[in-house]
Amino acid sequence: EDQVTQSPEALRLQEGESSSLNCSYTVSGLRGLFWYRQDPGKGPEFLFTLYSAGEEKEKERLKATLTKKESFLHITAPKPEDSATYLCAVQVREETSGSRLTFGEGTQLTVNP
Amino acid sequence: ETGVTQTPRHLVMGMTNKKSLKCEQHLGHNAMYWYKQSAKKPLELMFVYSLEERVENNSVPSRFSPECPNSSHLFLHLHTLQPEDSALYLCASSPRLAGGIRDTQYFGPGTRLTVL
Repeated sequence: EDQVTQSPEALRLQEGESSSLNCSYTVSGLRGLFWYRQDPGKGPEFLFTLYSAGEEKEKERLKATLTKKESFLHITAPKPEDSATYLCAVQVREETSGSRLTFGEGTQLTVNP
Repeated sequence: ETGVTQTPRHLVMGMTNKKSLKCEQHLGHNAMYWYKQSAKKPLELMFVYSLEERVENNSVPSRFSPECPNSSHLFLHLHTLQPEDSALYLCASSPRLAGGIRDTQYFGPGTRLTVL
């Protein structure tokens, strides 16, 4: 059974304090790994897709990396507006639903000013 | 409007009511999805549609009934719900739905449903 585990469950940082969020996965036939940001009461907002081990993508203060077993979302010098829940999802090979995503439970990030 | 829109944004209903959730995508996508998001749980895929045809139903109770009249619109009809059905219901769309194709799903803002 495909599994996606995110850690930590919650993370509190001071503004400017860099850290990383982890997403570990156990799936057969990974097609892609997705990171989303979700603000309270809103839908997930797409951030990155990673397709192969060694790949990295950056957007402002965020950098996502991928290995064969896990992905990291690095946050450099975070600001209070980076506070949100960050969701990781994996896409696996399927015959009927090629865009099926399996989500982790998310990491709730709070950045204090 | 752009992106994926959902109405209503908030809904309170009794267990005997019948209501519908609406989703509309303005992205020209061919696949649409319904997800349920409960507190402290991962997003749960409920239904998948491709070109108005349902391709997956993840063992969802029959009190949830989806409808996809065209590739831009998706409905979720609700009847005789239970309090445990209270959650955030999210709609998403992606360009295509085909085995092995890597397509990003874009989400709407969700409908916060409360069942009394």
